[in-house]
Amino acid sequence: GEDVEQSLFLSVREGDSSVINCTYTDSSSTYLYWYKQEPGAGLQLLTYIFSNMDMKQDQRLTVLLNKKDKHLSLRIADTQTGDSAIYFCAESRGGGFKTIFGAGTRLFVKA
Amino acid sequence: DAGVIQSPRHEVTEMGQEVTLRCKPISGHNSLFWYRQTMMRGLELLIYFNNNVPIDDSGMPEDRFSAKMPNASFSTLKIQPSEPRDSAVYFCASSPGRSYEQYFGPGTRLTVT
Repeated sequence: GEDVEQSLFLSVREGDSSVINCTYTDSSSTYLYWYKQEPGAGLQLLTYIFSNMDMKQDQRLTVLLNKKDKHLSLRIADTQTGDSAIYFCAESRGGGFKTIFGAGTRLFVKA
Repeated sequence: DAGVIQSPRHEVTEMGQEVTLRCKPISGHNSLFWYRQTMMRGLELLIYFNNNVPIDDSGMPEDRFSAKMPNASFSTLKIQPSEPRDSAVYFCASSPGRSYEQYFGPGTRLTVT
């Protein structure tokens, strides 16, 4: 199918790790992205990974890519209340500008 | 860097009126995107430009929607006539093209009554 799929909700306690999962469809996708959207704001690029990589770490964020299963995950270590937001997974189709976004995962962080 | 600038931030208009949304991309970015976000349909790509040329407008809902990019620093999205179902948040984004990452503006919240 055409869709990038991700679960709609995730709830974690402050200080725990959050793992947000995503499956994509295009095996030729060159780049895969994670964006964050806070209330009333636009999407903010968090990180991206090139399709020939398995893992990328950036401070509290770890991205894992399983190309065989077309599965992407975002792990947020030591989750804080400020991490509460909607997280979008996205893929660049056909190696070009057309980026397909998932529906977003709403992360709730309980104090 | 000021980021992507959109205006107005909020627009309330009556059905049948013309609405023009404006966007200034980040300087040096060569691609520009218009999206619409609603609770029901999520984030939808309407159109994108590369080097000021429209590349894919397959997401434009109907002929009431039109977009222009007369130069590298300005784009408009026009809805004429507007309808209540056009109510949404409209985002503009730009990309430098290297790894196709996009930088989003703060959005324009459009309400058509």
